[in-house]
Formats: sequence, C-alpha cells, structure tokens
Amino acid sequence: SYVLTQPPSVSVAPGKTARITCGGNNIGSKSVHWYQQRPGQAPALLIYYDTDRPSGIPERISGSNYGNTATLTISRVEAGDEADYYCQVWDRSSDNQGVFGGGTKLTVL
Amino acid sequence: QLQLQESGPGLVKPSETLSLTCTVSGGSLTSSNFFWGWIRQPPGKGLEWIGNIYYNGGTYYNPSLKSRVTISVDTSKNRFSLRLRSVTAADAAVYFCARQRWRPVTGTRGPFDYWGQGNLVTVSS
Repeated sequence: SYVLTQPPSVSVAPGKTARITCGGNNIGSKSVHWYQQRPGQAPALLIYYDTDRPSGIPERISGSNYGNTATLTISRVEAGDEADYYCQVWDRSSDNQGVFGGGTKLTVL
Repeated sequence: QLQLQESGPGLVKPSETLSLTCTVSGGSLTSSNFFWGWIRQPPGKGLEWIGNIYYNGGTYYNPSLKSRVTISVDTSKNRFSLRLRSVTAADAAVYFCARQRWRPVTGTRGPFDYWGQGNLVTVSS
C-alpha cells in the first residue's frame, strides 16, 4: 500500500517560515491535500489539490508538490499556527484507498 | 452550511460490534459530486482512513480493516453508518465522519472538506 512520510515535528520562531514535507513514491503524480488539527478538534482542510486554498485560508499558507515530496509552507508563522498537520492522497494504484501521512506537530518557539 | 454529526455508543465491549451513524444536515447525501467517509484517530496518534461510500451504495474500504467493516447509507434519512465487527483495544479511537469531494468526469478524488466533531469510542469490558 502507498505510504506517506512526514517529520514528527517541526519548530519555528514567530515571523519565520515553516516547511512541512510529505514524502511518497512519485507523489508529484497525485493530488495532495493538507489538514490542520488543533487539540480536541476535528481536522480542517488547509490546502487541496496541491496548491488551492479554501476560502478563509490566508495567502501566507501555500502548498507545492513535485517528484517525491509535497510541501506545506507557512510564512510569517504566528502562535496560532501551532497545531498538527496531515497530508493526504487518494491512491488509485492498488485498492483505491485514502492515505494519510503520520502527521507533523508544528511548534512555534 | 453543511454539518455532519456522529452518534453512537461511547463504550463497546471487546469482540462486539461498534456501530456509529453520521447524520448530514444543510445538504443532500445524494449529490453526485461527493463521497462520504469514516476516518479514525487513536488517542495521541494520527489519522486513519476507514472507508467511503457513495449515495448509490458503492463502497471502498481500507484493506487492513476490510474484513471487519461495513459502511451503509440511508438516503431517506440523509445519513450513513459504520459497523466494525470484533473490536479490540486497538480500535479505541475518535471516529470522524467526513465529506469527500469527487470529480465525476475525471474520477479524481478530492479532499475531505467537511468533518463531524468526532465520536470517542472506548473498548473495554
């Protein structure tokens, strides 16, 4: 089955840029979606189809996807960005299934 | 505004069947542009996709759970349900229901854009 690999944690100072990676075999050929989850809450869609933002998501949050790595970039990081982040794809190559990465805890120093 | 609400027991005994329902309000389950799914999250761990259903009853399941899972839909009540058989402590988790976008022309599965608040299920005798 398809595997998505995320770093368990990323730390960044306020005002700096955080980059959270999501690795997968030829992930650039798939559509990647990103979710933010705050403690005790359901995940919320952050980026979809690699680069699109739902309404209400600021432009300082962006996504890219090429080769074997998709990246979520959060510019001008704020304290409120501290949360868990998950990437997700749909794998049509095997059993047609949803796949989530293991999640990355973003800590704002 | 679309809303999804999970309901069901918060406690299930080992070897028994976990049953949850997701009621959709503010939108129709029969829209052709969406699948409806279940995702779970064990305490302190990451998200795991369980399965999806289309309004016509077509299903897709996580291969690791396929032998124990059934997802069904009741369009008359605008809700869909999850049954997980023979539960063990490893099945203890918060269970979320969610809507998944779909592009029928290309067959492309999109993101899970609306989520329920989650239903915590404990497995204990």
